[in-house]
Amino acid sequence: GQQVQQSPTSLVLQEGENAELQCNFSTSLNSMQWFYQRPGGSLISVFYNPSGTKQSGRLTSTTVIKERRSSLHISSSQITDSGTYLCAMEPGNMGYKLTFGTGTSLLVDP
Amino acid sequence: ETAVFQTPNYHVTQVGNEVSFNCKQTLGHDTMYWYKQDSKKLLKIMFSYNNKQLIVNETVPRRFSPQSSDKAHLNLRIKSVEPEDSAVYLCASSHGTLANSDYTFGSGTRLLVI
Repeated sequence: GQQVQQSPTSLVLQEGENAELQCNFSTSLNSMQWFYQRPGGSLISVFYNPSGTKQSGRLTSTTVIKERRSSLHISSSQITDSGTYLCAMEPGNMGYKLTFGTGTSLLVDP
Repeated sequence: ETAVFQTPNYHVTQVGNEVSFNCKQTLGHDTMYWYKQDSKKLLKIMFSYNNKQLIVNETVPRRFSPQSSDKAHLNLRIKSVEPEDSAVYLCASSHGTLANSDYTFGSGTRLLVI
């Protein structure tokens, strides 16, 4: 089965609304990371967050390793936030690779 | 400019042909990766190299073969492509395992097999 579950699969917001993206892991992990991808674009690291809470501007990530979950909060969404958000984990039994979730597709309307 | 560079951006080929994709990183990283992103946007690891040594080889058909001349280059060759090979191939690099936030992806090579 899928080791990394993301929810929701897709999300439509009005500009200015907040969003909460979830990521759950079915196996043990060393660390996790959030990526952002525009349609047809490369992946850009948003947060490397192995544990605790990190904030960068309007984005906040909270990871609870023991509970195998992480969240990404987007406040006051903007049209430019539209795209796909992917979470990925480094498996606990082996490094040198990331296991990705299927992503949350976010569309922010004006 | 320091980044991960991939060529070509796009490639269209017929079933049975051989293709090669190039990847170069100028970040001074020692680990490089190939990922495959399918039509549903799911990314899966294919290969990982650390200092030119193969570290990870997931369940990938034998027609796929990575080639690393030095730690800054990791190419991917596909012999006799098949329709299911149509996807975006993403190269990435980092320092060692995921010990920090320097994981960097290239812009990808989109392959269409007709």
